[in-house]
Amino acid sequence: DTEVTQTPKHLVMGMTNKKSLKCEQHMGHRAMYWYKQKAKKPPELMFVYSYEKLSINESVPSRFSPECPNSSLLNLHLHALQPEDSALYLCASRNRATNTEAFFGQGTRLTVV
Amino acid sequence: GESVGLHLPTLSVQEGDNSIINCAYSNSASDYFIWYKQESGKGPQFIIDIRSNMDKRQGQRVTVLLNKTVKHLSLQIAATQPGDSAVYFCARGYSSASKIIFGSGTRLSIRP
Repeated sequence: DTEVTQTPKHLVMGMTNKKSLKCEQHMGHRAMYWYKQKAKKPPELMFVYSYEKLSINESVPSRFSPECPNSSLLNLHLHALQPEDSALYLCASRNRATNTEAFFGQGTRLTVV
Repeated sequence: GESVGLHLPTLSVQEGDNSIINCAYSNSASDYFIWYKQESGKGPQFIIDIRSNMDKRQGQRVTVLLNKTVKHLSLQIAATQPGDSAVYFCARGYSSASKIIFGSGTRLSIRP
């Protein structure tokens, strides 16, 4: 099983809403990532979790709050987002010990209205 | 900085020909380089990677070349097929931080 599952696939939320994006993998990977991708642009790294601890925060605004409840799950909590936060949010995972290839989910297409 | 950039935003190739996608990088701090393929509506898919101490690596129909002298990376796809149509990203990997930084992407389109 080399699958990274992201839910929901699509999300529309208002600027005052609170929502969460979810990511799950069962490959035993201990590095998990959140990326943001705008149209026709490369994925931009947001957060890295290594062994369930936040190891990298690429100066992401606090309206994005990551959480790693266990080694298989990664959440991204959203609150008071702006329309410019609309994007494809990608989750990825990787074997932290060997640093082999990262596997990406299909993403959540987020629209903030 | 950690920039990874591509020479051309789009590349059109005749079906059956070889494709060459290029990438330049600005410093030598990363441990390895990675090529990803992203089809419309999907997440990036790993193609091949190469460690910084290597010059060449081959996979199935793909070859990656790394020229550290001129800080240049290329992906060669042999006998390009319609299914190769996608955006291709080069990326840099940093083992200690388990960090992957993407370059700007090249769209590959295939002419019948």
